[in-house]
Amino acid sequence: AQSVTQPDARVTVSEGASLQLRCKYSYFGTPYLFWYVQYPRQGLQLLLKYYPGDPVVQGVNGFEAEFSKSNSSFHLRKASVHWSDWAVYFCAVSDMGYKLTFGTGTSLLVDP
Amino acid sequence: EAGVTQSPRYAVLQEGQAVSFWCDPISGHDTLYWYQQPRDQGPQLLVYFRDEAVIDNSQLPSDRFSAVRPKGTNSTLKIQSAKQGDTATYLCASSRDWTSQNTLYFGAGTRLSVL
Repeated sequence: AQSVTQPDARVTVSEGASLQLRCKYSYFGTPYLFWYVQYPRQGLQLLLKYYPGDPVVQGVNGFEAEFSKSNSSFHLRKASVHWSDWAVYFCAVSDMGYKLTFGTGTSLLVDP
Repeated sequence: EAGVTQSPRYAVLQEGQAVSFWCDPISGHDTLYWYQQPRDQGPQLLVYFRDEAVIDNSQLPSDRFSAVRPKGTNSTLKIQSAKQGDTATYLCASSRDWTSQNTLYFGAGTRLSVL
């Protein structure tokens, strides 16, 4: 069965610093991978998605992620964090796109 | 374009009471999903529909939960006799169709507390 592990429940970074949120997936075959963000009292919003192709995927608000089949990873990165990035980030894997399996989420705190 | 709309935003129940959640997906989206998100966890799929048909309800506790989408548009998720373990946020999402290229659009959710 497909699964996603986000090993860091909480990450704190200073505003302006770079960011990496880790995601490891388990899937037989080539996965479809997603990063969603959840702001307080809001639903999940798609940041970016990976379909088989270029391993580096660009998303909204300066986010990008890199797919690695050898490491079974799909880490999220941002060069310079803004205070408005304070949210919970979810990595998800999909079988053909219609059934998403989410990780437990990483809560990002931004120090001013 | 209006997003996915859910109501109510909050619900507080005693154990044994019933509750219904309502979802209005984005117009033209034929696929609708219900997810349960316990506190500090990721969303977990309960059921999803393509038009009015249930495609997968294997994770729906069938003895107490039910979900319908009678006209292939709005949907209702009902808990017949709530338990404390049902405390969670219930998220509805929709997508244009079920193919792999699709993005799911989520509503803000209904936060349920069962006392």
